Amino acid sequence: SQTIHQWPATLVQPVGSPLSLECTVEGTSNPNLYWYRQAAGRGLQLLFYSIGIGQISSEVPQNLSASRPQDRQFILSSKKLLLSDSGFYLCAWSVMGLTDTQYFGPGTRLTVL
Amino acid sequence: QKEVEQNSGPLSVPEGAIASLNCTYSDRVSQSFFWYRQYSGKSPELIMSIYSNGDKEDGRFTAQLNKASQYVSLLIRDSQPSDSATYLCAVRAGEGSQGNLIFGKGTKLSVKP
Repeated sequence: SQTIHQWPATLVQPVGSPLSLECTVEGTSNPNLYWYRQAAGRGLQLLFYSIGIGQISSEVPQNLSASRPQDRQFILSSKKLLLSDSGFYLCAWSVMGLTDTQYFGPGTRLTVL
Repeated sequence: QKEVEQNSGPLSVPEGAIASLNCTYSDRVSQSFFWYRQYSGKSPELIMSIYSNGDKEDGRFTAQLNKASQYVSLLIRDSQPSDSATYLCAVRAGEGSQGNLIFGKGTKLSVKP
């Protein structure tokens, strides 16, 4: 069965510091991968999605970036965090097909102080 | 701007009652619809998907879709306190299995013992 991992689970970072969040998927090949952010009182916002290694699409221009160095690995990064980057970061996967249902990882709660 | 609207709630129902959660969407060509449940502090988990007009039942859950009215709902029969969570409606943008999910902000459900 498929499993998705995210780490770290929680993170507290000062403004201006760098960020690296990692997501890995097990039990499937060539998944579509997604990064979402859920800020307090707001809905899920799609940040990036990837249909393959090195293929990244950005949905929202901001100081975040994403990379997919391996088939089942997706990384979210920032060179300098802003206060507004605080939120619950969720990685999701799906397999291209008739339904393309997305399944979420456990998430990383980021607080920028 | 493609939108998914949900009543934020909270929706409070007594234990054993039917909870009815509603969602409207703006993209007339959407064909894939999903309901996720999110417990406080946790990531969303898929409850049901629906693609055709009518009802789809899975245990105590029934999803209802009316594409003409651009309306999708989730009924929870015999509600339990463990059903207390935020329910997210998601709609795939565009036709077919392509396109990203657009999420509503969620309806918070509280089931009182």
